[in-house]
Amino acid sequence: NAGVTQTPKFRVLKTGQSMTLLCAQDMNHEYMYWYRQDPGMGLRLIHYSVGEGTTAKGEVPDGYNVSRLKKQNFLLGLESAAPSQTSVYFCASSLLGLGHYEQYFGPGTRLTVT
Amino acid sequence: KNQVEQSPQSLIILEGKNCTLQCNYTVSPFSNLRWYKQDTGRGPVSLTIMTFSENTKSNGRYTATLDADTKQSSLHITASQLSDSASYICVVRPFMEYGNKLVFGAGTILRVKS
Repeated sequence: NAGVTQTPKFRVLKTGQSMTLLCAQDMNHEYMYWYRQDPGMGLRLIHYSVGEGTTAKGEVPDGYNVSRLKKQNFLLGLESAAPSQTSVYFCASSLLGLGHYEQYFGPGTRLTVT
Repeated sequence: KNQVEQSPQSLIILEGKNCTLQCNYTVSPFSNLRWYKQDTGRGPVSLTIMTFSENTKSNGRYTATLDADTKQSSLHITASQLSDSASYICVVRPFMEYGNKLVFGAGTILRVKS
């Protein structure tokens, strides 16, 4: 039981490049989330999903897209990376409910955009 | 605006000593308040969760308290260990009708020295 896994762990992009971050969970959770964590700030919700085939915007969705084609996977895409997207990205999942149930976090992806 | 503020920003203590971390929030009404531990390079892991009607919750050497009247919570760590070195994050979930996204504090960085 691996919990929540994220790939890659580290990535360096040049401005304008694109990439996809992959999140996978093996706990059969319905809800999945993408957060970003910046120094001196709390985690901020980018996008989330309440089930397979669904996505919704969070607090800071601009510049990101997501897809949830399979229940166990949640992809975060950056179409044209900007230096402001330099951050640590965390994926999380919960059995149900945006905040009612425990959220389990992945180990994070450190992204640097130059 | 819903906010969660934590103090101090960072703290250094000697192994074996006790410490208390503070969390002040403006989220009201709220459904629950959580404390997470985040080791360097890892995702947050839940320590405690308290509903608005609870005023204390323990998890081993960690004890969280909640005063809903003053909108304050604290996390007390007893007999600290080197492995307690981490960031501790306070998270508040608004009551559903008043916003359904978790509000994260920026965290307190604790370093335990031998």
